[in-house]
Amino acid sequence: SQQGEEDPQALSIQEGENATMNCSYKTSINNLQWYRQNSGRGLVHLILIRSNEREKHSGRLRVTLDTSKKSSSLLITASRAADTASYFCATDDYGRGSTLGRLYFGRGTQLTVWP
Amino acid sequence: GAVVSQHPSWVICKSGTSVKIECRSLDFQATTMFWYRQFPKQSLMLMATSNEGSKATYEQGVEKDKFLINHASLTLSTLTVTSAHPEDSSFYICSARTLAGEREQYFGPGTRLTVT
Repeated sequence: SQQGEEDPQALSIQEGENATMNCSYKTSINNLQWYRQNSGRGLVHLILIRSNEREKHSGRLRVTLDTSKKSSSLLITASRAADTASYFCATDDYGRGSTLGRLYFGRGTQLTVWP
Repeated sequence: GAVVSQHPSWVICKSGTSVKIECRSLDFQATTMFWYRQFPKQSLMLMATSNEGSKATYEQGVEKDKFLINHASLTLSTLTVTSAHPEDSSFYICSARTLAGEREQYFGPGTRLTVT
């Protein structure tokens, strides 16, 4: 079943602006991941943040994690038109005692960056 | 590295026929592969987890007799949609994981299935 819920569902900004997407989840986690999907394509892994981390950076990406609120945010700074895509958060089931490592995705945020 | 391919990239079939989709890890051995389906503008829904040499683990609500999964080698998993119907039309995506316990999954480009 779906684990995360992202908001907003859609976000439209101008190039150069920052984009912030939020994700909430329901159960215990070992880590949380963010993926990007261009229209009609597969997913690309962006960043993984462990449950004992509060913030992580990768290039123009900044991810925060608040386990007390069961929420995470993805910030893309200085956005570009090429950042236009859907962004999904995902949690795995290792945190629930499974050894399968199944990923459960949120609904996603459709980001549109206008030139 | 860590490239996953899917074949075909798109397929159109008639209602009642079966369709096989292949998922290959090109430059690594995948102990586990996963199959997802995605409806337009929606999230990915996990269908099943496939381990090489063993039976797939299906998610609740997924018909195992309709969606046959075979993981015959460490680089290939197949999903066969049997007796396809228009409601099976969807985007099917596979992913692969290199080692047990590894967190990151590597995704294929997806297969667009249209059943007429």
